[in-house]
Amino acid sequence: KAGVTQTPRYLIKTRGQQVTLSCSPISGHRSVSWYQQTPGQGLQFLFEYFSETQRNKGNFPGRFSGRQFSNSRSEMNVSTLELGDSALYLCASSFPGLAEEGSTQYFGPGTRLTVL
Amino acid sequence: AQKVTQAQTEISVVEKEDVTLDCVYETRDTTYYLFWYKQPPSGELVFLIRRNSFDEQNEISGRYSWNFQKSTSSFNFTITASQVVDSAVYFCASTDSNYQLIWGAGTKLIIKP
Repeated sequence: KAGVTQTPRYLIKTRGQQVTLSCSPISGHRSVSWYQQTPGQGLQFLFEYFSETQRNKGNFPGRFSGRQFSNSRSEMNVSTLELGDSALYLCASSFPGLAEEGSTQYFGPGTRLTVL
Repeated sequence: AQKVTQAQTEISVVEKEDVTLDCVYETRDTTYYLFWYKQPPSGELVFLIRRNSFDEQNEISGRYSWNFQKSTSSFNFTITASQVVDSAVYFCASTDSNYQLIWGAGTKLIIKP
C-alpha cells in the first residue's frame, strides 16, 4: 500500500498570503490529522477530520482551517500568513479514527512552509 | 494536564553501544495508549510501537525493545548494538481522553561510526 502523501513538499510564501496544503491518506484510512512542528513548540495538533467532518481541533487561531473530501483526501489552509507560521506541517492518517481506541497514526513526509 | 516528558534532549554514542531513551508520561485516564515514533532527517515520522495501558508486557523487535512500567509512568526505549542508521529524533507520545496524541519534546540520537 502506498503511504501518506503530502504536496507540495516545500513552499515559500510572504506574510499576508494564504496557502493550501494537501494530504492523501493511506488507502482505506478515513481519519486525517494535521500537526505543526516547530523547533520552539515541538509537535502540536491542529485538527482531525473523519468522514468529511472536523472531529477534533487543537488550540490554533481561526486562520488555520481544513477540510476533507469524500475520498478522504484532506487540505489545510492558512490565511494571512505570519512569520511564526513557518514550520513543518505533517499529515497523518489512521483507520478508523482517533476517537476509536488509540488508532495508530501513519505520517506523511510533511510540507515545509517558509514565510518571509 | 497530561504531559509527556523526554528529559534527554540529545544523546551521542558510538556505534554498537546500547542506548536507552527515557519517556515519562502523566495522565489521569485509566485507558490510554503510548507510542514511539522515529523522525529521520527526511522529516517523516515513522511509527515504531503502540502499547495500551493494560498491557505492561515488554516487547522486543530485533534490536529494539520497550519497557513499560505503570508504577513509574515510564515507557522507555532501548536500542541494542546501535547503528549509524539509528541516528534520528525519537518521539514518545501518549493519548489524551479524546485519543489525540500528546507528544514529548523528542530526543535527538546521534550514533557515531
